[in-house]
Amino acid sequence: SQTIHQWPATLVQPVGSPLSLECTVEGTSNPNLYWYRQAAGRGLQLLFYSVGIGQISSEVPQNLSASRPQDRQFILSSKKLLLSDSGFYLCAWSPTSGRFGGTDTQYFGPGTRLTVL
Amino acid sequence: LAKTTQPISMDSYEGQEVNITCSHNNIATNDYITWYQQFPSQGPRFIIQGYKTKVTNEVASLFIPADRKSSTLSLPRVSLSDTAVYYCLVGGSSGGYNKLIFGAGTRLAVHP
Repeated sequence: SQTIHQWPATLVQPVGSPLSLECTVEGTSNPNLYWYRQAAGRGLQLLFYSVGIGQISSEVPQNLSASRPQDRQFILSSKKLLLSDSGFYLCAWSPTSGRFGGTDTQYFGPGTRLTVL
Repeated sequence: LAKTTQPISMDSYEGQEVNITCSHNNIATNDYITWYQQFPSQGPRFIIQGYKTKVTNEVASLFIPADRKSSTLSLPRVSLSDTAVYYCLVGGSSGGYNKLIFGAGTRLAVHP
């Protein structure tokens, strides 16, 4: 069966410090990978998605970046955190979509709660 | 991408059936309708997906009228553990991945 891991679970960082959040998927190959951010009481905002190693697309301009060094590893980074970067960060994966139309189910990780002070 | 509108919150009691309606007037021909459930401090979990008419699984039913401009998630005999946020999403594959837009969702509170 497939599993998705995220770490750390919680993180408190000062403004201006770097960030590295990691996500790994097991039990599947060539998944589509996603990073979302969720502010308190709000819906999820898609930040990045990846359809393959080294292939990253950004949905919103920000001081965050993403990388996919391996097939099942997705990393979210920042060189200098802002207060507005606080939130709940979720990684998700879905099977590579091979059909026209429709949506393959996205499976979410446990998330990382980031607080920037 | 089609925008969705759903109630901000709903209240129910244990054992009742709960129906959450979502409006998506600009749904495209290739769009599917998907519902997710999210508990506090957890990632969303897939509940059900449909294209038209009715879909049922062990957790819920999804009713979609012929014009597909709305959909209704039906949760039979809810329990306290069904207290969560429910998201209605509309979208389809684009460029090799599926792009989902999460709104604020509907906060369902189930009372004893």
